[in-house]
Amino acid sequence: DSGVTQTPKHLITATGQRVTLRCSPRSGDLSVYWYQQSLDQGLQFLIQYYNGEERAKGNILERFSAQQFPDLHSELNLSSLELGDSALYFCASSSGVLQEQFFGPGTRLTVL
Amino acid sequence: KNEVEQSPQNLTAQEGEFITINCSYSVGISALHWLQQHPGGGIVSLFMLSSGKKKHGRLIATINIQEKHSSLHITASHPRDSAVYICAGKEPDKLIFGTGTRLQVFP
Repeated sequence: DSGVTQTPKHLITATGQRVTLRCSPRSGDLSVYWYQQSLDQGLQFLIQYYNGEERAKGNILERFSAQQFPDLHSELNLSSLELGDSALYFCASSSGVLQEQFFGPGTRLTVL
Repeated sequence: KNEVEQSPQNLTAQEGEFITINCSYSVGISALHWLQQHPGGGIVSLFMLSSGKKKHGRLIATINIQEKHSSLHITASHPRDSAVYICAGKEPDKLIFGTGTRLQVFP
């Protein structure tokens, strides 16, 4: 158990819908990272937050957004969902920018 | 553009064999993460190293900064080691992932 929690574990929804994925980092970790793993693309970095502030952006679509709250949990919002958004979404946390990252169990999103 | 290349893509072994997975990376990557992903999908962080060698149980990771190369070794492999092993290069704000090595260890 990495200490990083993600909810929900599974999510099935329809095209055009909006969903929110939630991540709670390990106790004391200030950095949260979001990653997408799809069958054809492997693991891709989406976005990073550090102590509430957006720190880095990767291949994140404009339909996707994220935030980190004062209690350090983070949410990833996915809107106008398309079939191609079906993937595993992982969050990871670390105590600082240069530290080892620990991954949550992931949320499996299926868009029908 | 920073890149991480991993080899081999697929690996099969008999229980007890010594296994090596290789990872090469480009300039700008300050450290290497080795991750293990089980069939259920969960990702476990095995090592993060920026120099030298680290050991945990039957797993050993080495990195050569000059050659920009890292290896993950598994000694006395076991069927429960069957998983996808991913190396990821650490940039300041994100990880860049290799394509993974699918390992199957047969009894």
